[in-house]
Amino acid sequence: DAGITQSPRYKITETGRQVTLMCHQTWSHSYMFWYRQDLGHGLRLIYYSAAADITDKGEVPDGYVVSRSKTENFPLTLESATRSQTSVYFCASSERLGLEGNEQFFGPGTRLTVL
Amino acid sequence: GENVEQHPSTLSVQEGDSAVIKCTYSDSASNYFPWYKQELGKRPQLIIDIRSNVGEKKDQRIAVTLNKTAKHFSLHITETQPEDSAVYFCAPKSTGNTPLVFGKGTRLSVIA
Repeated sequence: DAGITQSPRYKITETGRQVTLMCHQTWSHSYMFWYRQDLGHGLRLIYYSAAADITDKGEVPDGYVVSRSKTENFPLTLESATRSQTSVYFCASSERLGLEGNEQFFGPGTRLTVL
Repeated sequence: GENVEQHPSTLSVQEGDSAVIKCTYSDSASNYFPWYKQELGKRPQLIIDIRSNVGEKKDQRIAVTLNKTAKHFSLHITETQPEDSAVYFCAPKSTGNTPLVFGKGTRLSVIA
């Protein structure tokens, strides 16, 4: 589990501010994911990435930006935070998306509060 | 895209009883069916999975069964213990390089 980390673990910000959540994995997994977790909604995919410089939208991408210049890092940026983005954010990684090697390993989460 | 529903959304059982959580999905091309467990304040973790060419898989007190015709799969926990209390998510996956689609979760409470 120490192979995937997130920072910060807790963040309080104000509406309109830019916030970046960091995710780092040491397994050299190809795939990385960002989810948000809200009561009643489970885990919703925001963005995912198949490799460096390859990203795809998930179910709820609006208001978020991602980049992946290095395989091990996958930062998530809220360019202008809104109260509706208050949530717990999980980063995850997996070797593949096929039938094998697709177990997702989650980071510890970042609890973000937007005031 | 995949439409996933879990039932029930909450479940309370007495310690030692069995628990069953059902997951229905819409994409008939789905071929991988995992269950994740998330304890309070922790990260989700894979506990068991099954592929479409297998009808049932067991791992000690937990099992997963698959009914491809009806498009649902279920998590079975026998002899429940307090440490089984958690939120459980199903996450069926379609063919190709498509990501998992998580259900909304089932909160299981095991009462001692």
